[in-house]
Amino acid sequence: KAGVTQTPRYLIKTRGQQVTLSCSPISGHRSVSWYQQTPGQGLQFLFEYFSETQRNKGNFPGRFSGRQFSNSRSEMNVSTLELGDSALYLCASSLQREFGGELFFGEGSRLTVL
Amino acid sequence: SQQGEEDPQALSIQEGENATMNCSYKTSINNLQWYRQNSGRGLVHLILIRSNEREKHSGRLRVTLDTSKKSSSLLITASRAADTASYFCATDDGNAGNMLTFGGGTRLMVKP
Repeated sequence: KAGVTQTPRYLIKTRGQQVTLSCSPISGHRSVSWYQQTPGQGLQFLFEYFSETQRNKGNFPGRFSGRQFSNSRSEMNVSTLELGDSALYLCASSLQREFGGELFFGEGSRLTVL
Repeated sequence: SQQGEEDPQALSIQEGENATMNCSYKTSINNLQWYRQNSGRGLVHLILIRSNEREKHSGRLRVTLDTSKKSSSLLITASRAADTASYFCATDDGNAGNMLTFGGGTRLMVKP
């Protein structure tokens, strides 16, 4: 069974631009979560989608948004990029409908903002 | 914000030795999990311990949980060079879907 796939793996953008990251969960998984990892703040929860609905949202500005499609694939978008948005963005999927189960992570999308 | 603090932040040991990492958290939890990350790559789930459990084993891994002290420890026995990675604890409170709150991580180096 294929794992969680994130694209692109690496990207470079300049301040003010916007970026869209994609995540394909493991087949059959309906929950997709996004996390941001930086050296200073560590791993921080962005949002979670379950069956196309945003179930939870972390403490990030409105420039960060996401969505989930009917096939469970998810995208996240960051608009008006800032230098501080440089990070590894990790997507994770989960089979369980219930809370707090094991998450399966992708390899991440490393975003550099210049 | 990070729920947990991990101790130590970095640990260097020789192959064959045991490695112990500790995690403390602040609020009530539903489950506590440990994940491993190799050098800026994705996280890999290692083990999950529920709030009503005190100890759990998986291969060379042993996890303990003390909810009265709001702390957990991960023991890796007979470490190998391939265990070199960062290790994170993560908690959920049972009320917020799959939102995990991660600790700052312990960077483990196992020297051959």
